[in-house]
Order: sequence, then structure tokens, then C-alpha cells
Amino acid sequence: GIQVEQSPPDLILQEGANSTLRCNFSDSVNNLQWFHQNPWGQLINLFYIPSGTKQNGRLSATTVATERYSLLYISSSQTTDSGVYFCAPVDNYGQNFVFGPGTRLSVLP
Amino acid sequence: ETGVTQTPRHLVMGMTNKKSLKCEQHLGHNAMYWYKQSAKKPLELMFVYSLEERVENNSVPSRFSPECPNSSHLFLHLHTLQPEDSALYLCASSQDSDTHYGYTFGSGTRLTVV
Repeated sequence: GIQVEQSPPDLILQEGANSTLRCNFSDSVNNLQWFHQNPWGQLINLFYIPSGTKQNGRLSATTVATERYSLLYISSSQTTDSGVYFCAPVDNYGQNFVFGPGTRLSVLP
Repeated sequence: ETGVTQTPRHLVMGMTNKKSLKCEQHLGHNAMYWYKQSAKKPLELMFVYSLEERVENNSVPSRFSPECPNSSHLFLHLHTLQPEDSALYLCASSQDSDTHYGYTFGSGTRLTVV
């Protein structure tokens, strides 16, 4: 099955800083989503982004499917951005998301 | 509140107990999922239901038994669990199991097996 890597594993930022999270995957994908899990365990769907670029407020995501990676940009980070960010592709042969190991983000006031 | 509600939020059970986790969605979705999230491990898909039919069972031990009586409700029945089954159990739903449109998670049940 598809292999998913995320980097960095941990990231500490000062409030107001920008960051880029990376997701590499081993196979072609027909769906890819980014999720945020807050410190209380709630997972929120951020982007559906199998290819191209999307923006939603301070967050944006880009997937380059031909090069098998996706990036999540967080600008002007806030303490509420803290938590774990998961990349989850679905490969062209599978039916379900395969979650990466996540990037744990801590934004300090 | 995401539209997917899980109860209870926390559960402590002995290895000989029988308990059930409940998930309810009010989004009109046709697919529902159970995931297990253990410390230091990626989310693991356990079961997938589409239109109340089980479509995937990822080699989950038989001590976990899912039930989907209708498209709005999903249960996970637990019996004779082991301490390594302690984890956060997450339920999710989506419009359908092919496109995963509108994928939404519940808040999870944190299970401790003693």
C-alpha cells in the first residue's frame, strides 16, 4: 500500500511566525486531505487537495501529484493552531485514507 | 460540534467486561468508519460501513465487533479486551465511501483497559 511520510515530526513556533509542513507519498493518488487534530483529540478536515493549490484564511495547501508531495502553509500562526497535522492520501488502487504519522505543532504565545 | 457525536467520551473497563461505544451522525452521510489511534502510531482504519453494509474489515481482532443498525448510527462492541487495546477510538462519516466527500470525525472515546 501507499507509504506516507511527514516532516518535520515536531515544530515549535512563536506566535505570528509562518511555517511549511510537508507530506511525501509513495504512489499516485486520487484524493488527499489534510486534517488538524487539536490538543483535545478532535480531528478537523482542513483541505481536500489531490492536486493544485487552495487557500482558506491563513492556511493554504499545494499538492504536486506528479512529484508525490503536498505542502501545508500556515501564516501568522496563532496558539489555536497547536496540535497535530495529518496528511491522508488515498491511492489510485485503494478506497480509504492512509494517515501519515503527523507533524506536532506547538505555537507559543 | 462537528455533527458526529461519540459516547462515552471516556471509558475505563476491565479485561473481562463487555462495553459498547456509540457513534451518531446527523449529516445525512451514507458511510461511517471506526479508527483506532494509539500513542506513537498513525491512525488505523478498523471498519468501514457503506449504506449499513460492512465493506472493509482491516484484520481487526474478533474482540471488536461493529454494528451499524442504520446509516446514522454505528456501534463498536467490546469484550475481553487487552491492555494494548487502550487507545482513542474515533468515528467518522462521509457522504459516501468512494469520494469521501465531507469527511467528518467525532471527538473520540478514550478507552483505558485495566
